[in-house]
Amino acid sequence: GNSVTQMEGPVTLSEEAFLTINCTYTATGYPSLFWYVQYPGEGLQLLLKATKADDKGSNKGFEATYRKETTSFHLEKGSVQVSDSAVYFCALNTNAGKSTFGDGTTLTVKP
Amino acid sequence: SQTIHQWPATLVQPVGSPLSLECTVEGTSNPNLYWYRQAAGRGLQLLFYSVGIGQISSEVPQNLSASRPQDRQFILSSKKLLLSDSGFYLCAWREVSGGPGELFFGEGSRLTVL
Repeated sequence: GNSVTQMEGPVTLSEEAFLTINCTYTATGYPSLFWYVQYPGEGLQLLLKATKADDKGSNKGFEATYRKETTSFHLEKGSVQVSDSAVYFCALNTNAGKSTFGDGTTLTVKP
Repeated sequence: SQTIHQWPATLVQPVGSPLSLECTVEGTSNPNLYWYRQAAGRGLQLLFYSVGIGQISSEVPQNLSASRPQDRQFILSSKKLLLSDSGFYLCAWREVSGGPGELFFGEGSRLTVL
């Protein structure tokens, strides 16, 4: 079956540091890949997505590239802010049915 | 534009009491609908999903049930709550036709069973 493995947290960084959260996947077919973000006490929001190999999703300074050869979709940001503190979920979807989520990575950014 | 509403936002219930969480979607037709649970500090667990009115698929055996009485309404219920039912419940929807299949989530309902 499909699975998503993402970097265990929590991750604590200082403001303006570089962020990487690793995500690898196992899937049959050709999945679409997603990063969702969950701010404290809220639901999940789509952060970025990529639908085919070598696509780069980007939003709010975050980027992730769909790497089919390494089955990865690592999330990066060059300079994090305190407001980026949240839980980040990597996910995949292979059809219009169910998505598969990673366990989430908690990011705390300190001033 | 599409919106999703979920209520109540917070609920404190005694063990053995009933539960009803409601979710409605606006601005789309025939969406796929989902209920997820998120335990404290944990990932998302898919509880139920629905591809149409009256069509419910259960992912895990449990004390909960779901119903879809209207196209854009999804209800999560329990007749008798257990302590283990505590958690953060999220409703979500997805368009069926085309697209990569991203999910759109509600704001969540925090349930504490005492």
